[in-house]
Amino acid sequence: GAGVSQSPSNKVTEKGKDVELRCDPISGHTALYWYRQSLGQGLEFLIYFQGNSAPDKSGLPSDRFSAERTGGSVSTLTIQRTQQEDSAVYLCASSLVATEKLFFGSGTQLSVL
Amino acid sequence: GESVGLHLPTLSVQEGDNSIINCAYSNSASDYFIWYKQESGKGPQFIIDIRSNMDKRQGQRVTVLLNKTVKHLSLQIAATQPGDSAVYFCAENLWEGAAGNKLTFGGGTRVLVKP
Repeated sequence: GAGVSQSPSNKVTEKGKDVELRCDPISGHTALYWYRQSLGQGLEFLIYFQGNSAPDKSGLPSDRFSAERTGGSVSTLTIQRTQQEDSAVYLCASSLVATEKLFFGSGTQLSVL
Repeated sequence: GESVGLHLPTLSVQEGDNSIINCAYSNSASDYFIWYKQESGKGPQFIIDIRSNMDKRQGQRVTVLLNKTVKHLSLQIAATQPGDSAVYFCAENLWEGAAGNKLTFGGGTRVLVKP
């Protein structure tokens, strides 16, 4: 596609439920990143995928968070047993190669009630 | 760990004046830096980048300066306009060795343009 696409744009869920956030990167981009942004804060690195290499999961805040990237393209970020502190905007970005210019999606606003 | 940070969390500037946003980094091995602009409700948008073999790079109304001696990065916006009101982030290429590279972002500076 023309840009990085994320869905849904907004998600409201109840505490304890699982959620899945989807990211469609720009076609041909080998690197894909997930970041979290709390209200009025900076970007917190979560995970990144580079080609067929093992993902860098060093930013995942707990074992309730996981992500996968199927076929080197679409990625899904899963948050299990959501907590109120998980409420944030989850941003996905992709780049042609790792560390080069990242293109961001518009994010998914997650609200945990 | 080493990280990227910003000196000023909020910058108010009069329309038409120049803006300067500063960023400090501590990893001397970083070789690539980017500035992003984030408007309310949107994802960050690329503004300009610079590699460590350069000291200055200019774009349309924006200039990035890199001072490797003091590990300092700045973004200059000429003739600031209301549309420049946003949060600006700097990011550095953080070399992770065998784990590969990833971009690490600073905390962001909010720029408010007064009419």
